[in-house]
Amino acid sequence: GENVEQHPSTLSVQEGDSAVIKCTYSDSASNYFPWYKQELGKRPQLIIDIRSNVGEKKDQRIAVTLNKTAKHFSLHITETQPEDSAVYFCAVQGGSNYKLTFGKGTLLTVNP
Amino acid sequence: EAQVTQNPRYLITVTGKKLTVTCSQNMNHEYMSWYRQDPGLGLRQIYYSMNVEVTDKGDVPEGYKVSRKEKRNFPLILESPSPNQTSLYFCASSLYPTGLGYGYTFGSGTRLTVV
Repeated sequence: GENVEQHPSTLSVQEGDSAVIKCTYSDSASNYFPWYKQELGKRPQLIIDIRSNVGEKKDQRIAVTLNKTAKHFSLHITETQPEDSAVYFCAVQGGSNYKLTFGKGTLLTVNP
Repeated sequence: EAQVTQNPRYLITVTGKKLTVTCSQNMNHEYMSWYRQDPGLGLRQIYYSMNVEVTDKGDVPEGYKVSRKEKRNFPLILESPSPNQTSLYFCASSLYPTGLGYGYTFGSGTRLTVV
């Protein structure tokens, strides 16, 4: 099955700095790559996603890049704010059952 | 309001006592799934359903059952719960992919403790 590796597991930045979280996957047939944000005690919520025919997508301070050849994709958050503090999960979808396989998550802490 | 509703939010039970966690969505989504979340392990899929009466195992199905008799409901059944099933459970639903990807809408979660 699909194997998704996510790094780093924890990330601490100063407010205003950028944060980058990286994921790699194993199945070259995978075609959809969403990112979820989970605040403490809350449900995961989709923040941005990218499909395999697109290399980069941006939404205000958040961007995702995809390198299909290398089978990795990254989440970039610029001008971080304390409310960006949360656990971020990457996920990969593909194959016949459309299952989303999640990475283990990154705890991002933005220090004021 | 479009949502996925899970009940209960919190549940403490004893080993071996059958329980059901309910999940209902009002978005007419065909695809529904159950995940469990454990520290350091992320979200792992238990079961999924691509339509009514169509269910299949995810990565960690042992000790769980599901049913999909109606499109909106996808209950998770633990016939004989054990302490290693203590976890945070999420139900999620999505539009039928039809070859494209769609984000999942997650329920609020059910924190289950088995003693």
